[in-house]
Amino acid sequence: QVQLQESGPGLVKPSETLSLTCAVSGYSISSGFYWGWIRQPPGKGLEWIGSFYYSESPYYNPSLKSRVTISVDTSKNQFSLKLSSVTAADTAVYYCARRSTSWDSFDYWGQGTLVTVSS
Amino acid sequence: QSVLTQPPSVSGAPGQRVTISCTGSSSNIGAGYDVHWYQQLPGTAPKLLIYGNSNRPSGVPARFFDSKSGTSASLAITGLQAEDEADYFCQSYDSSLSASVFGTGTTVTVL
Repeated sequence: QVQLQESGPGLVKPSETLSLTCAVSGYSISSGFYWGWIRQPPGKGLEWIGSFYYSESPYYNPSLKSRVTISVDTSKNQFSLKLSSVTAADTAVYYCARRSTSWDSFDYWGQGTLVTVSS
Repeated sequence: QSVLTQPPSVSGAPGQRVTISCTGSSSNIGAGYDVHWYQQLPGTAPKLLIYGNSNRPSGVPARFFDSKSGTSASLAITGLQAEDEADYFCQSYDSSLSASVFGTGTTVTVL
């Protein structure tokens, strides 16, 4: 059973960098599939942040591209998200998820972690 | 602001059928990109409901089915049950934005 678990600070100060990690169990990231990050501000809709295939460069939502970095550590079977220069608008539940290679849909999701940007 | 528009809410009595629309444009649904649907129960992560060409993951009942026409897509739920109370989101790809995009979301209420 594929499982994903996000971890990281729940509170980040404005202008600082948000850092989250997604630990994957039950499937090896380097075996295939795409992986990605999606966020959801409280009470609002979903926003795709970026995705990657383990052997390729990540690709990002153009609206966030200048501030986002996704990296992968296949030895630990985990991947990370860094979002720089955060503001209150970046307050959201952040999800990591697995994306199909055939479709653009996300079939396995982490439980999500709330990150609040506040001083 | 999402480029895929959904009605904020729909409701129906148990056993009835409800339909959720997802309205896009020529750069996403109208361009032929696949539409996927998710169900999000309160306080939980989204769950994939339908993907690609009307495929349902294992365990998703056949009461959920989708359709697509022009620049819009729809999710129908037949035989509405109390457990179907949730938020529903559509998702597609937008070539103008070069990004995966989600709908604004619809809350389904079972009366």
